Amino acid sequence: AIQMTQSPSSLSASVGDRVTITCRASQGIRNDLGWYQQKPGKAPKLLIYAATSLQSGVPSRFSGSGSGTDFTLTISSLQPEDFATYYCLHDHYYPWTFGQGTKVEIK
Amino acid sequence: EVQLVESGGGLVQPGGSLRLSCAASGFTFSDYEMIWVRQAPGKGLDWVSYIGLILSDIYYADSVEGRFTISRDNAKNLLYLQMNSLRDEDTAVYYCGRRGHDGSIDYWGQGTLVTVSS
Repeated sequence: AIQMTQSPSSLSASVGDRVTITCRASQGIRNDLGWYQQKPGKAPKLLIYAATSLQSGVPSRFSGSGSGTDFTLTISSLQPEDFATYYCLHDHYYPWTFGQGTKVEIK
Repeated sequence: EVQLVESGGGLVQPGGSLRLSCAASGFTFSDYEMIWVRQAPGKGLDWVSYIGLILSDIYYADSVEGRFTISRDNAKNLLYLQMNSLRDEDTAVYYCGRRGHDGSIDYWGQGTLVTVSS
């Protein structure tokens, strides 16, 4: 199974900061990767699909980059509603695997 | 509006069984692949199972292979997860999700809690 290593596991940032989260796959997965946001007690929400495509309705401050084994989620200017936990998920082949998650907290 | 609503969670003893359902609406259910994902209390997300448009196109995580069975009823717009031989470590919120045509899980249900405990 493909392993997804996500970093950092947590970070503290201020409103307006630029935030970067990374995921590394244990083998090449082309662009078969999505990024999800989860708030406490809620279901995850798709932000980015196919590594770089913004899901409809998601603010443009979210962006994704990467291909192959290394991927990045960037929030260009952190907003109060962005404090949450973020996960990557590869859908290259089964079994799919999630990254361990990154909790974004208020500094 | 796309909606996914899970049901069937609850408290069950180790070794017991439970069947989860996911009622889909707002889209043509038979046109979409479906997924189950779970989240243990205070932990990260864990992919559980997939069912494709062809009912023989099914995959499981190693941790549930041989114990869980995914199925779907396209006439009733229902997705199921039959869970047998339940273990303490199966305790989690179980989410159903729709796999969008671009590959990712584009819609999620609200989740149903399964607690395995004596």
